[in-house]
Amino acid sequence: SQELEQSPQSLIVQEGKNLTINCTSSKTLYGLYWYKQKYGEGLIFLMMLQKGGEEKSHEKITAKLDEKKQQSSLHITASQPSHAGIYLCGADIRGGNKLVFGAGTILRVKS
Amino acid sequence: NAGVTQTPKFQVLKTGQSMTLQCAQDMNHEYMSWYRQDPGMGLRLIHYSVGAGITDQGEVPNGYNVSRSTTEDFPLRLLSAAPSQTSVYFCASSYLRSGANVLTFGAGSRLTVL
Repeated sequence: SQELEQSPQSLIVQEGKNLTINCTSSKTLYGLYWYKQKYGEGLIFLMMLQKGGEEKSHEKITAKLDEKKQQSSLHITASQPSHAGIYLCGADIRGGNKLVFGAGTILRVKS
Repeated sequence: NAGVTQTPKFQVLKTGQSMTLQCAQDMNHEYMSWYRQDPGMGLRLIHYSVGAGITDQGEVPNGYNVSRSTTEDFPLRLLSAAPSQTSVYFCASSYLRSGANVLTFGAGSRLTVL
């Protein structure tokens, strides 16, 4: 959806390096969701953020929501090959439970 | 728990043929939806349903029909397939609680229309 812009489109990092993926909405966010997709597979839920300033972590992945900027960031610390895949942000930007998604960020981790 | 089950995983159609992609969930989720995923475009919502007997259109509904006769099943019908419908299709379901809509996705169905 053009209503959700993800950057960068793709990323190659050396194993052990940190990285950040951004998701910016052109409209008010009613909820922001991060998913991971391995090549050729379905999407796996990572985290959900609902309130401005909210921050959640799972293992080495941290997501933050800046409600004023209508933006969320996903930060991976000390990347590993298992982090490789496509990261997608999804958001309810219209209310009514219609989730729209960004185009995704392809992450490759070099060993 | 099987979660969300999609069939078939792969399908090749000729232009003009019709087919149904099946989706079933065993989690008693009230919300179900269909997305298509195309390179560089992410996931786009086709149709969704907030309960049995209730369906609504998403971003790209043209060429697709849905129905929700039971809580468990949400089939997606292509009435007259076109090459533009070549895509990977994902079905997803969720509970709707406190404004949250955490989707559980199926493994996807890859459709090629020749």
